[in-house]
Amino acid sequence: EAGVAQSPRYKIIEKRQSVAFWCNPISGHATLYWYQQILGQGPKLLIQFQNNGVVDDSQLPKDRFSAERLKGVDSTLKIQPAKLEDSAVYLCASSLGRGITDTQYFGPGTRLTVL
Amino acid sequence: GQQLNQSPQSMFIQEGEDVSMNCTSSSIFNTWLWYKQDPGEGPVLLIALYKAGELTSNGRLTAQFGITRKDSFLNISASIPSDVGIYFCAGQGSGTYKYIFGTGTRLKVLA
Repeated sequence: EAGVAQSPRYKIIEKRQSVAFWCNPISGHATLYWYQQILGQGPKLLIQFQNNGVVDDSQLPKDRFSAERLKGVDSTLKIQPAKLEDSAVYLCASSLGRGITDTQYFGPGTRLTVL
Repeated sequence: GQQLNQSPQSMFIQEGEDVSMNCTSSSIFNTWLWYKQDPGEGPVLLIALYKAGELTSNGRLTAQFGITRKDSFLNISASIPSDVGIYFCAGQGSGTYKYIFGTGTRLKVLA
């Protein structure tokens, strides 16, 4: 079974530029998550989708971050404009559902460096 | 945002030794998870705990859900070089689907 795919793996941009990340979840997984992992910290949930609807985006900085999951499959996360403090690894995860026994499977992440 | 406290932050051990790490919270959790993250990869689930007092094993790994529901413990027995990585706990409270992750314990195994 193919895992969660993310691209690009690495991205370097200057502050105030825009950037987008792409995630393809495991086939059949209804729930998709975007996490931000700052160096030396654990992942922090940014947004959670159930199919193509948003379940939780309470920690998403909506003035600069946006995410969509058209057709309930692939998802993109965008940052516009980027700030220095956005430098982090952005992890995408998916699970079959939102039940407590539904395991989240993580992708390899996109490492973003903002100069 | 809120994060769980994990200790120790890092540890160096000899191959073959046993390892213990823990995770504490000021809030009660209903579910505890333990993940391992290798460099350049996403976290991988090791053990899930769903009930206070529960003790669950996965090979050389054993985890326990604290009876206060505010802590959890992970033990690794007879460590091997491939145990190297960062171990994260994650907890889920009442009325939310969101998991809060710990600060991580970085493990290095010396052959």
